[in-house]
Amino acid sequence: EPEVTQTPSHQVTQMGQEVILRCVPISNHLYFYWYRQILGQKVEFLVSFYNNEISEKSEIFDDQFSVERPDGSNFTLKIRSTKLEDSAMYFCASSENGDEAFFGQGTRLTVV
Amino acid sequence: AQSVTQPDIHITVSEGASLELRCNYSYGATPYLFWYVQPPGQGLQLLLKYFSGDTLVQGIKGFEAEFKRSQSSFNLRKPSVHWSDAAEYFCAVAPGSGGYQKVTFGTGTKLQVIP
Repeated sequence: EPEVTQTPSHQVTQMGQEVILRCVPISNHLYFYWYRQILGQKVEFLVSFYNNEISEKSEIFDDQFSVERPDGSNFTLKIRSTKLEDSAMYFCASSENGDEAFFGQGTRLTVV
Repeated sequence: AQSVTQPDIHITVSEGASLELRCNYSYGATPYLFWYVQPPGQGLQLLLKYFSGDTLVQGIKGFEAEFKRSQSSFNLRKPSVHWSDAAEYFCAVAPGSGGYQKVTFGTGTKLQVIP
């Protein structure tokens, strides 16, 4: 069964460093999303991406964040200068038609 | 703005007992509604969804949910809980038009199953 794949499963980084979280969406999907879940809190929408551009973003998704689809298969989330409060589980999701999304297993980001 | 309320933070049930997890939403029109399950240390898995039509929705793993417009609710049910159902459950809402663009999740209900 096709699935969304995220790498790495766990990333530890020093405050101020840049990180790139990687996702391989399901191959025929056209809509891509990033969500995050701070430990013990609810899942929060970050950004949606369609037709090679951001279609919607939340207040959390400030200038420190960027997304890219560098080739036909990967979808990345970059955090330019990480802060302690960026520590969270980051979920990538993809959707074929924008009606429902399939989530990856997540990348746990720990900023120290 | 849309919102989702899951009033129960933590629920404990005995294996074999029935289960109902509550979800109330706030949205001006008919939204898209979802239930996700997150087993410990794992990602989110879609249990079921409601877009339109029959208000009783069947999902995977024996779960079902009923959309009640008059109560703005979308409660999740299972007639007989298994130990493997122990997980966190999230209700989510998205605009009915414009689809999945901006899903709002509830705060989750953690389900504990005792033998």
